Amino acid sequence: AQSVTQPDIHITVSEGASLELRCNYSYGATPYLFWYVQSPGQGLQLLLKYFSGDTLVQGIKGFEAEFKRSQSSFNLRKPSVHWSDAAEYFCAVGLGSARQLTFGSGTQLTVLP
Amino acid sequence: KAGVTQTPRYLIKTRGQQVTLSCSPISGHRSVSWYQQTPGQGLQFLFEYFSETQRNKGNFPGRFSGRQFSNSRSEMNVSTLELGDSALYLCASSLGLAGNTGELFFGEGSRLTVL
Repeated sequence: AQSVTQPDIHITVSEGASLELRCNYSYGATPYLFWYVQSPGQGLQLLLKYFSGDTLVQGIKGFEAEFKRSQSSFNLRKPSVHWSDAAEYFCAVGLGSARQLTFGSGTQLTVLP
Repeated sequence: KAGVTQTPRYLIKTRGQQVTLSCSPISGHRSVSWYQQTPGQGLQFLFEYFSETQRNKGNFPGRFSGRQFSNSRSEMNVSTLELGDSALYLCASSLGLAGNTGELFFGEGSRLTVL
């Protein structure tokens, strides 16, 4: 069965430090790949997406992600974290559809001043 | 332009009751998807509607149903509520065009508590 794994439940970084959130998927084919962010009491906001082509994708708020087919991974990175980045981050995959998504369990990011 | 609007934002029901949640998509969007978010199960796909037709359905019991109107507004209904139905129900809209690559725009959700 298809699955998405975010191995880190909670990550704490200092403001200004770099960030990498991990995401691995289990699918037979390369799915559509997404990263969403959710602030408390809010819905989800799309940070970036990968459908095909260049494996390094740029998103909003200075985030980027790299698709590595050999590792079935789509890790999210940011070179310098801001306090406003504190939120929960979800990796999601869609097989043949960008609307029927399977989400990972999420990674809660805490940013220390 | 206005985002995805979900009503009500919060509601409390008791076991056995039914509930109807409403979602107004972004103007021009024809696809509406529903997701359930719980601490235990995370985010799970419920169903997607496009042009008043259910296009995809997740693995939920028949107590969960939905519909879409001609103006693309959507409702979902949960009958015979159980304690485990307590969740944040998120609606997302997209253009829904062929090619399936449209971005999902999420509403803020309807938080249902079942007592």
